[in-house]
Amino acid sequence: ETGVTQSPTHLIKTRGQQVTLRCSSQSGHNTVSWYQQALGQGPQFIFQYYREEENGRGNFPPRFSGLQFPNYSSELNVNALELDDSALYLCASSLGVAEGTYEQYFGPGTRLTVT
Amino acid sequence: AQKVTQAQTEISVVEKEDVTLDCVYETRDTTYYLFWYKQPPSGELVFLIRRNSFDEQNEISGRYSWNFQKSTSSFNFTITASQVVDSAVYFCALSEGTSGTYKYIFGTGTRLKVLA
Repeated sequence: ETGVTQSPTHLIKTRGQQVTLRCSSQSGHNTVSWYQQALGQGPQFIFQYYREEENGRGNFPPRFSGLQFPNYSSELNVNALELDDSALYLCASSLGVAEGTYEQYFGPGTRLTVT
Repeated sequence: AQKVTQAQTEISVVEKEDVTLDCVYETRDTTYYLFWYKQPPSGELVFLIRRNSFDEQNEISGRYSWNFQKSTSSFNFTITASQVVDSAVYFCALSEGTSGTYKYIFGTGTRLKVLA
């Protein structure tokens, strides 16, 4: 069974640029959630995708957007990067609500640095 | 509103000591789920346990045990006979069951340092 993978591992971008982060969910999982973890803080929920549809969003501006593909992999896009976007971005996959299982399994994260 | 409080920012213990990590939560829902995750220096969050709001039975898994008390809205985590490999940041998280979105609300984490 393959776990959650994320790419790239590290990324350095300049303020104002755009970035795309990628996540492959664990085999059999149809739900992907994205979190932002600033240094020394707990992860903050960005949004969740269930069967290719957005299924809830946290308190993040519209320049944070996402996609989920038919194979349940996912992308997180951030436009107009700001210095405060520097963080560890975590992807988590799980079986969806209808399947009755709620543990989320996390990937290793992408460390984004905005200069 | 949902909230998870981990008041202990950092704890240091000597190997083989027992240590308890505190977690207090707030929610208006009657159906909710509580979790503990471990985050080693590598950064990946490792799932430890899930508990739903209807099951207050305490659980033991090896050196780990969890004490869930709805009366005090607490879900504490005890490591018995701690080891250096237990050094990590531990997060408690809450997920409500009626919103349709099973997002997690995380606490700020407790950094545990186990000294040899």
